[in-house]
Amino acid sequence: DIVMTQSPDSLAVSLGERATINCRSSQSILYNPNNKNYLAWYQQKPGQPPKLLIYWASTRESGVPDRFSGSGSVTDFTLSISSLQAEDVAVYYCQQYYNTPPTFGQGTRLEIK
Amino acid sequence: EVQLVESGGGLVQPGGSLRVSCAASGFTFGRYWMNWVRQAPGKGLEWVAHIKQDSSEKYYADSVKGRFTISRDNAKNSLFLQMNSLRADDTAVYYCARDMGATVTTFRIFDSWGQGTLVTVSS
Repeated sequence: DIVMTQSPDSLAVSLGERATINCRSSQSILYNPNNKNYLAWYQQKPGQPPKLLIYWASTRESGVPDRFSGSGSVTDFTLSISSLQAEDVAVYYCQQYYNTPPTFGQGTRLEIK
Repeated sequence: EVQLVESGGGLVQPGGSLRVSCAASGFTFGRYWMNWVRQAPGKGLEWVAHIKQDSSEKYYADSVKGRFTISRDNAKNSLFLQMNSLRADDTAVYYCARDMGATVTTFRIFDSWGQGTLVTVSS
C-alpha cells in the first residue's frame, strides 16, 4: 500500500495569513501516460464528513474558494490557503488514488493563531 | 442535490454482525462506483470497500477482507455493508461516499459523502 505522510500534524496561522500543508507519498503517484498526479485533498470540519477540495493535485472542486490551491508532483505535494479565514478551521487530509487501496494521510489540524 | 444518508449503526458485541445501509438520492445511483470509508473516534480516514455500478467488481481493504461484504440495490438506490466477526478496532463512523465520475473505471476520488453512522463494537 502507498503510505501518505502529512506535515505538520497541526498548524496555527493568523487570520489573513497563508497556511501551507505538506503531503508526501511513499512512491510516485504520477501516472506518466497522462502526466497526472493522483492526489486529492479533503477538508473535514468538526462534526461533519470530509469535503473534497482538490483533485489531480491542483484542480479545485466546483464551489471551492480560489484561496485554496494545490501543487506538487511525483511524491511531494502542498495544499495552500492564501488568506486564512475563520471558516477554514478544520482537519485536512491528502489522499492518493493511484491504486487500490486508496490511502489517506494522517491529517493536519489547522487552527487560528 | 446529491444526498447520501447512512443508517443501521449501533452497539454490537465483539464477534457479532451488523448491516449498515446508505440511501442515495439526487443523482443516477446506478451510474456510479460507490464506497465505504470509516473513521475511528478521533482518528483519520480509512477506505473500507468499493463496488462497481453493476456489482461485478468489489474490492476490500485487507483489514476487513473476508469479514465485510459490500453490496448494492440499484433499483432502490441503496448501498450496503454487511459486517461480520466484528472486532473492537472496527469501531468507527462509517461513511458512504460516491466515486467521482460515472465511468467504467473507478476514479477512487470521493466527491460526495453522507453524514455517517456510528458502529461501536464493545462488550
